[in-house]
Amino acid sequence: GAGVSQSPRYKVAKRGQDVALRCDPISGHVSLFWYQQALGQGPEFLTYFQNEAQLDKSGLPSDRFFAERPEGSVSTLKIQRTQQEDSAVYLCASSSRLAGYQETQYFGPGTRLLVL
Amino acid sequence: DQQVKQNSPSLSVQEGRISILNCDYTNSMFDYFLWYKKYPAEGPTFLISISSIKDKNEDGRFTVFLNKSAKHLSLHIVPSQPGDSAVYFCAASSQGGSEKLVFGKGTKLTVNP
Repeated sequence: GAGVSQSPRYKVAKRGQDVALRCDPISGHVSLFWYQQALGQGPEFLTYFQNEAQLDKSGLPSDRFFAERPEGSVSTLKIQRTQQEDSAVYLCASSSRLAGYQETQYFGPGTRLLVL
Repeated sequence: DQQVKQNSPSLSVQEGRISILNCDYTNSMFDYFLWYKKYPAEGPTFLISISSIKDKNEDGRFTVFLNKSAKHLSLHIVPSQPGDSAVYFCAASSQGGSEKLVFGKGTKLTVNP
């Protein structure tokens, strides 16, 4: 079956521009996560959805970052007024369990964002 | 303050030999640990996991060992193959709250033919 897909794969933005990154999770997966991976670092948690509810947004670095998942499937991560420090790979992951933990997260290929 | 640490940025081994990748953690609340493999320009791919109620989990050539008292886990790959060359990330999560994963910085494994 299809895995997690993300679009666009690459995005170049001018500083101050708004961008929107899309994630299509594995069909039927309830949980969806966004991570940010800077060069040479491991992925860092941004936010978590269970269906359409955003249960944890503690990793969002500033109020310029906003995520939504209005119908409990596709999610969009929006970054307003992009800054150079926003340049990173943005990874989306999904998992199937409704509640609880110890469930494997499956990752998409990521969107590489470069802010000039 | 890094809660999950992979102190070796890189590791080089010969094909057919054992690869051992190490990971240390500081948060005693972590109770589930995973290893992911990542090729360039791709997302992390799940390899193997272990719950804190176990000290070993095996899947084919991959074995993960957990030492809770030392807050240490390791991934063994036997025998190593050139296709195993990638960056390996250790990740951990804890019960309750969101299921977010906390990752180490990764170890780049090179398996030489």
